[in-house]
Amino acid sequence: DAGVIQSPRHEVTEMGQEVTLRCKPISGHNSLFWYRQTMMRGLELLIYFNNNVPIDDSGMPEDRFSAKMPNASFSTLKIQPSEPRDSAVYFCASSFGGFTEAFFGQGTRLTVV
Amino acid sequence: QKEVEQNSGPLSVPEGAIASLNCTYSDRGSQSFFWYRQYSGKSPELIMSIYSNGDKEDGRFTAQLNKASQYVSLLIRDSQPSDSATYLCAVNVGGSQGNLIFGKGTKLSVKP
Repeated sequence: DAGVIQSPRHEVTEMGQEVTLRCKPISGHNSLFWYRQTMMRGLELLIYFNNNVPIDDSGMPEDRFSAKMPNASFSTLKIQPSEPRDSAVYFCASSFGGFTEAFFGQGTRLTVV
Repeated sequence: QKEVEQNSGPLSVPEGAIASLNCTYSDRGSQSFFWYRQYSGKSPELIMSIYSNGDKEDGRFTAQLNKASQYVSLLIRDSQPSDSATYLCAVNVGGSQGNLIFGKGTKLSVKP
């Protein structure tokens, strides 16, 4: 299995631009998580999906952030418009069921200038 | 607000010693507990999972769970410089629909 696949690995964009991060979970996993990691705040859960349905998006910082999971093999996290404070590493993770461990993708390092 | 707390460290131990990492959590209904290791610039990787009270051993790693005290720990025996990393405690909250919450991590440094 190829594991969780995220793209792009690195993204540098100008303030105000739209950014879309992509994730392909492990085949057969039915839970998908989007996390953001910074030195100050650690690994924060932004949103998670179960069977393609958003269960809890209370971690999404503001309306500029949105996430979708149109099918079991693909999810996107969009930031529009982006701001410098959005600069962080964004991780996608997937798991098989709520009680089991999650496996992480390689992450997307986002820099907004 | 459901939380997972860890000492940020850094925790420094000499090579060959036992490293002890601790974690507390706020949600009494949590049933699944995990330890991840994260090297600088890399993604978190799972090293241990524990679901029942008591100890679980895997090689040099031992996870300990005490649900009454809402406490999880990780012991690393015979610590090696390659164990130097940040260790993240993760707790499942929300039952079968699986919300996985992480602590901020403890940075471990193993000195040769």
